[in-house]
Amino acid sequence: EIVLTQSPGTLSLSPGERATLSCRASQTVSSNFLAWYQQKPGQAPRLLIYDASNRATGIPDRFTGSGSGTDFTLTISRLEPEDFAVYYCQQYGLSRTFGQGTRVDIK
Amino acid sequence: QVQLQQWGAGLLKPSETLSLTCAVYGDSFSHYFWSWIRQSPGKGLEWIGEINHGGSTNYNPSLKSRVTMSVDTSKHQLSLRLNSVTAADTAVYYCAKATKKWILRNSYDYWGQGTLVTVSS
Repeated sequence: EIVLTQSPGTLSLSPGERATLSCRASQTVSSNFLAWYQQKPGQAPRLLIYDASNRATGIPDRFTGSGSGTDFTLTISRLEPEDFAVYYCQQYGLSRTFGQGTRVDIK
Repeated sequence: QVQLQQWGAGLLKPSETLSLTCAVYGDSFSHYFWSWIRQSPGKGLEWIGEINHGGSTNYNPSLKSRVTMSVDTSKHQLSLRLNSVTAADTAVYYCAKATKKWILRNSYDYWGQGTLVTVSS
């Protein structure tokens, strides 16, 4: 099983700031089959990025996914009030596993 | 636009069988794999398995011995059964649609609203 480790656990930032979230895999994620999701309380996860760097339909361009192999990054260029949430990475190169999440809090 | 609406029993006793159904609205049912995913405070998000319109399944090895997924193509519905539940199966269960057509390896772009299933004696 591929274990995904997300860091930091919590990121405290102000609106307008840049957020950088990390997802590290325990082994190479084949074909960069990695996705990022945003989840708010009481809601299902929302797909942001798939195949490491492709934005899902309707996702603003302030969300950027990058990385390959075992190291992946989600960058939010300028935080909007609605971006404060929990973010998860998911790999689908070998079965499917999710990271434990990074919470982005308002500072 | 795709919508997923799910339902099922929310309170079970240990050893009972969890049963959930997810209805898919939209015209793309036959093009995708459909998954069940659960989320608990202890284990986070966990993929349970997936099925396509032809009934081909792929299960998480850790749950495979207890899971059965089925599909009713006439109703555009998929179902999940998980037998011999314990407190460790307490979670919010989601159905979800694969992002890309036809292929197994996928992210999930549409999700059901979630069903909280609690296992308690």
